[in-house]
Order: sequence, then C-alpha cells, then structure tokens
Amino acid sequence: GDSVTQMEGPVTLSEEAFLTINCTYTATGYPSLFWYVQYPGEGLQLLLKATKADDKGSNKGFEATYRKETTSFHLEKGSVQVSDSAVYFCALLDSNYQLIWGAGTKLIIKP
Amino acid sequence: DGGITQSPKYLFRKEGQNVTLSCEQNLNHDAMYWYRQDPGQGLRLIYYSQIVNDFQKGDIAEGYSVSREKKESFPLTVTSAQKNPTAFYLCASRQGVRSGNTIYFGEGSWLTVV
Repeated sequence: GDSVTQMEGPVTLSEEAFLTINCTYTATGYPSLFWYVQYPGEGLQLLLKATKADDKGSNKGFEATYRKETTSFHLEKGSVQVSDSAVYFCALLDSNYQLIWGAGTKLIIKP
Repeated sequence: DGGITQSPKYLFRKEGQNVTLSCEQNLNHDAMYWYRQDPGQGLRLIYYSQIVNDFQKGDIAEGYSVSREKKESFPLTVTSAQKNPTAFYLCASRQGVRSGNTIYFGEGSWLTVV
C-alpha cells in the first residue's frame, strides 16, 4: 500500500538557520501531497500542497516541490523563527481519498 | 467565518459513560473524517463519511460510533466500550475533487477519562 516516510525528530535549529525536513513516499499513481503543521495543543493546519509532478507549494516562507523522479516532497525554509516551532506532518491523499501520514517531525527553534 | 467547529474543546468522562463530540462545518464539503491522536503520536482514522447518510469504519473504529444525518454535521460518540479513550480528537472535511481535494481540520477536542 501507499506510505510516507519523513525524517525523525526532534530537529533542533537556531533562529535564522536553514530548514529541511525530508519526506519520501511510495504510491500507485500520482497522489496529491501535503504538509500540515501542528502547534502545541492545537489542531492541524494545512501548510502547503502540490497536486502534480514539479508543482511547488509555498506558504509563510516554507516551500516544497513534488519530485516524481525521487518520490520526494521535502519541506524547506530559508530562515526559521522561534514561532516555527511545531510538529510537521507530510501526507499523501490516496486513491480512496484517505490521508496517508508520515510519523511527524518535531521542530525546535532556539533563539 | 467558514470552517470546521469542534466542541467542546475539553471534556471529562467518567468510567462507563458515553460522550459525544460535535463537529460542524460550513464549507459545503461532502466528505468528513474523525481522527484520534495520542500524545506525541500521529493521527489514526476512526470513521469517515463520503456523503450524507453513509459512513465507513477506519482503522480504529471499535468503541466509537458516528452518524451523518446532515451534510454539515458529523458527531462522534465515544462509548463505554472504548477502553482507553483519553486522547485528542480531530475532525476534518475534504474539498470536492474539482476544488482540489484538500482536507481541512478543526481545532480538536481533548477527552480525558476521570
């Protein structure tokens, strides 16, 4: 079946550092791909998405590109802030319209 | 404001009681979902509904029940048969295929057994 693998956390960075959170997937066909963010004690917010190969999703300085050849959707941000501290989930929408989730990566940004 | 509203935010349940978590959306989405999240863990699917008056079990449906009598509403009942119900519960709804298929989430409900 379809699956999503993302890098284990926690990832600890200093403010203004460059961020990469790796996400790879296995799927039949070409599913839509998503990054969600969860701040402490809150629900999930959609951060960005991409629906086809070579699409780039972007929001709030975060970017991710749908790479069909490497089956990847890595999340990047050029300069992180303390307020970016959260848990980030990579997910794909399978053919039954269910989200297949990565395990989540906790990001800690130190001032 | 458009969105998904879950209530209550915090709920305490005594052993042997059933409790119902509310989920209402005004996004005109056909599909709705319930997930459970344990501390420090990912999301697991409890039930989902692709259309009014229809719903299917997810991966961890035992001890839970749902109804889908209206498009806007998808309440979840946590029954006494659920032996370890303390968790964070998230409701979600999905855009239609032509609108992008994106799934959006509510703010969640915390359930604690006392």
